[in-house]
Amino acid sequence: GENVEQHPSTLSVQEGDSAVIKCTYSDSASNYFPWYKQELGKRPQLIIDIRSNVGEKKDQRIAVTLNKTAKHFSLHITETQPEDSAVYFCAASLYGQNFVFGPGTRLSVLP
Amino acid sequence: ETGVTQTPRHLVMGMTNKKSLKCEQHLGHNAMYWYKQSAKKPLELMFVYSLEERVENNSVPSRFSPECPNSSHLFLHLHTLQPEDSALYLCASSQDWSTGELFFGEGSRLTVL
Repeated sequence: GENVEQHPSTLSVQEGDSAVIKCTYSDSASNYFPWYKQELGKRPQLIIDIRSNVGEKKDQRIAVTLNKTAKHFSLHITETQPEDSAVYFCAASLYGQNFVFGPGTRLSVLP
Repeated sequence: ETGVTQTPRHLVMGMTNKKSLKCEQHLGHNAMYWYKQSAKKPLELMFVYSLEERVENNSVPSRFSPECPNSSHLFLHLHTLQPEDSALYLCASSQDWSTGELFFGEGSRLTVL
């Protein structure tokens, strides 16, 4: 079955700096890769996703890149702000079914 | 109310109790899910219902019993739980089983004494 690894487990950056979180997956058939953000005590919410027919996707300060050959994808957050502090989860799935999540990265943006 | 709502938000139970978690979605979605979130572990998929039919059961112990009476409601019945079952239980829904975005509820924090 699918296995998703995520690094780093914790990440601290200064406000205004960039943050990068990386995930690797094992099943080459997986074709949908979402990222969820979970603020303390809140529900996980989708922030960006990418499908296997695309190499990169951007939404304002957030971008995701996908390398199908290497089976890894990354979340990039630029110009970080304190409200970006949260736990970020990557996931891999086949056609949006049965997501396998990574263990999460706790991002702290320091003022 | 909109979105996905879960009750109760917090539950403390003994190992011999029987309790239920409730999830309701107001999004008109056709698929609903139960996930378990434990500290320092990935979100674990427990059950998936699509159009009120169970389509996935990820080797979950029988002390967890799901019920989906209609496409808007999902229950998780709990009995004779173990302390290691203490976790945050998240309900989610999506438009269809094969549609990407999951909409999560706030979760039910379960403590088993």
